[in-house]
This record gives sequence, structure tokens and C-alpha cells, in this order.
Amino acid sequence: GAGVSQSPRYKVTKRGQDVALRCDPISGHVSLYWYRQALGQGPEFLTYFNYEAQQDKSGLPNDRFSAERPEGSISTLTIQRTEQRDSAMYRCASSPTGELNTEAFFGQGTRLTVV
Amino acid sequence: EDKVVQSPLSLVVHEGDTVTLNCSYEVTNFRSLLWYKQEKKAPTFLFMLTSSGIEKKSGRLSSILDKKELFSILNITATQTGDSAIYLCAVTNSGYALNFGKGTSLLVTP
Repeated sequence: GAGVSQSPRYKVTKRGQDVALRCDPISGHVSLYWYRQALGQGPEFLTYFNYEAQQDKSGLPNDRFSAERPEGSISTLTIQRTEQRDSAMYRCASSPTGELNTEAFFGQGTRLTVV
Repeated sequence: EDKVVQSPLSLVVHEGDTVTLNCSYEVTNFRSLLWYKQEKKAPTFLFMLTSSGIEKKSGRLSSILDKKELFSILNITATQTGDSAIYLCAVTNSGYALNFGKGTSLLVTP
């Protein structure tokens, strides 16, 4: 597609429910990142994929968070047993190569609210 | 621990003013510094800097990196109301993550 597409744009869920956030990166982009951004903060790194391989998941806050990119394109970030502190903007980004030092293009994000 | 500090946190200027936004960092194995503009939608890429002292320019925006003093500045000349946004600075090291600062919120008033 023309840009990084994320869905849903907004998600309100009850505490304890599982949520799945979807990212459709720019076509052909090798690298895919997930970030979380709280109000008044910069994006915080969660995880990184090179094609389908999850090469860095050091930013995932705990084992309730997981991500996959099974065919090296679309990715899903899943949060199990959501808690109120999980409320944030979740942003996906992609970049054309698997090399470091290339710019990342961000999607519009999914605003998650856990009530 | 890697650190990226942006200043000021917020700024209000009049149209036509020139602004300078600052980003200082402490990063192990520094690779690059990036500037993004974040409006209501996605952060949009402005510049990537890897070498000291080489100015990057795009219209009224310019940026430069000082790897000795570990900082970068983003200049915006002849500001317009459309420049109002949060400006994010991020650094990369040997890993994959962009390490972001908290951003500078710029408001340009007519």
C-alpha cells in the first residue's frame, strides 16, 4: 500500500480481555517495528522483525505481549489479559531494508484504551 | 542506559520567527540520529544524521549533528502555523530500536 496501515484505529476493551492489533507495512519493506507511545512521551520500542524473523523483542514489557509476522508482511501485536496500564498509542513502522541506519515510516497507530 | 533528552519540552512562537530545537544524547555505539515531525497522524521523517558537522537542509528546516558534544539541533526559519507539531529526536545504536526523546511541542501562532 501507499503507507503503513494499522487497524483498528481505536480500540476500547475491558480489563482482562485479549486484543490483537494489526499492521500492514509498506509493500516490500523488509523491516517492521512495533512501538508504544504514552501521552507526552516519545515512542518506546517494543519489537523488531526482519521479514518473518523476530530479531529483537527486548522491548516487550512482559509475557502478556507477543507479536508475529508469519509471512514476512502483515504483523499482529497481541496483548493478553489487558490491564489499564496497557492503554497507549501502539505504532507500527516499516523500513525498506534490513540494514541499520535506514529511516522508518510510521503508521497512524492504534489508540488502545483499557477500561 | 541510553538517553535522549530534548529541549525545550514546549515552545510558543509567532509566525515568521526562527526556532532552534535541541537534542542531546548518551548512546553506546551510536550509529545515527533522526528527526521526526509528529502531527495528529503518524510521525513523518525529516532528517537522518550520521556525520558530524554536515548540515542537512530541506526548505526552511535544517539540522546538524555534533558527535563530539553529543547533540543535534533542528532549525526552522520563517515559521508558519503548519509547523506546529511535536518534533521527535531519536538515536540508533548497534541494535534495531529507535530510541526516542520525549519530543518538543512547538506551537506557531498567527
